Amino acid sequence: GESVGLHLPTLSVQEGDNSIINCAYSNSASDYFIWYKQESGKGPQFIIDIRSNMDKRQGQRVTVLLNKTVKHLSLQIAATQPGDSAVYFCAEILTGGGNKLTFGTGTQLKVEL
Amino acid sequence: GAGVSQSPRYKVAKRGQDVALRCDPISGHVSLFWYQQALGQGPEFLTYFQNEAQLDKSGLPSDRFFAERPEGSVSTLKIQRTQQEDSAVYLCASSLTGSTEAFFGQGTRLTVV
Repeated sequence: GESVGLHLPTLSVQEGDNSIINCAYSNSASDYFIWYKQESGKGPQFIIDIRSNMDKRQGQRVTVLLNKTVKHLSLQIAATQPGDSAVYFCAEILTGGGNKLTFGTGTQLKVEL
Repeated sequence: GAGVSQSPRYKVAKRGQDVALRCDPISGHVSLFWYQQALGQGPEFLTYFQNEAQLDKSGLPSDRFFAERPEGSVSTLKIQRTQQEDSAVYLCASSLTGSTEAFFGQGTRLTVV
């Protein structure tokens, strides 16, 4: 199949462990952040979002943390499963940017059985 | 349909050939975006439509790239005189007006030989 993850940073975790994927952003004018999951041969899939006036948001098995002081975003996945294996991208929307997404480099998550 | 549909799924073009890539957004979605994703990288914004109006085309890399959405639904991305550097996956996304949650299609993988 196709591989989207060539030359990307890779995080390998054991099934059942928690995963933490990090992302740094540079634009302090960003007011909205989203994490996407992209499986091989598919388009990005929305996971969770967070507004800049928040520092934490939880979903089902996922938590996003935002540290505006150091412009850092993280995605925590609890009890990682084989189906979580994919490339994960953070994306930001700039204030007044018309909802267009600016994506980060991406991290390949590999879940080992 | 249930999701964003893109066609063709794969396209091989000879250098210098013109190509047209189609996107069928989710019914009722006002906003439509095109992104270009090179191998191993995150998607990069190309252009944005709100209904039939092209509000932002700042990401189109050259005047060989042209996008349209004449009736505010289906969109076509056209690339004239394709070059090898145009080889990438072209992703289409749509969203409801006022919503930041964009749904992506599976993309069209363009290979220029």
